[in-house]
Amino acid sequence: AQSVTQLGSHVSVSEGALVLLRCNYSSSVPPYLFWYVQYPNQGLQLLLKYTTGATLVKGINGFEAEFKKSETSFHLTKPSAHMSDAAEYFCAVSDRSGSQGNLIFGKGTKLSVKP
Amino acid sequence: GAVVSQHPSRVICKSGTSVKIECRSLDFQATTMFWYRQFPKQSLMLMATSNEGSKATYEQGVEKDKFLINHASLTLSTLTVTSAHPEDSSFYICSAPGEGDNYGYTFGSGTRLTVV
Repeated sequence: AQSVTQLGSHVSVSEGALVLLRCNYSSSVPPYLFWYVQYPNQGLQLLLKYTTGATLVKGINGFEAEFKKSETSFHLTKPSAHMSDAAEYFCAVSDRSGSQGNLIFGKGTKLSVKP
Repeated sequence: GAVVSQHPSRVICKSGTSVKIECRSLDFQATTMFWYRQFPKQSLMLMATSNEGSKATYEQGVEKDKFLINHASLTLSTLTVTSAHPEDSSFYICSAPGEGDNYGYTFGSGTRLTVV
């Protein structure tokens, strides 16, 4: 079975500082991995995804994540935080049941950005 | 890109009444739709998977008779909360998976249900 662990339910950084949100996964099959962002009372927006190929994945809004199989990790980073990055971030893994697999979500990490 | 339109965004209803939430895929056909529930400050929990033309698959612990799911067409899936109670108050989100090079999931904007 698949599972996702996000270390740190709340991360606070200063504007302009590095953002690092940690995600470790467990999967019995080669995983498809995703990062989503959620603003209050809104749905989820895809930041980036890893399916196959290059392990360093670049997404929207300057975010990127690196798939490290040996560490079973898919940490999300951004070199310089903006105030607008303050939101809830979810890491997810797909169970890849064909193309209709379900997503398993981590508990989420709330990112706060201080001026 | 793929868009899922979810309505209503917010709804307040009285205990004992039923509420229907719709999710429509606007520019693609969604043979499958996932329905999630999100409690405050928590992650998304899968409630059920709807499949066009067949019965929905419910996760363990989810009451089938309370949360009625219908996938009437390739572009419409609905979740009806029947005989709603205050404990049903939550944020409900639908999601449709993509395929091939577009593999990924498109989420609706969510529905905030408040039962009073």
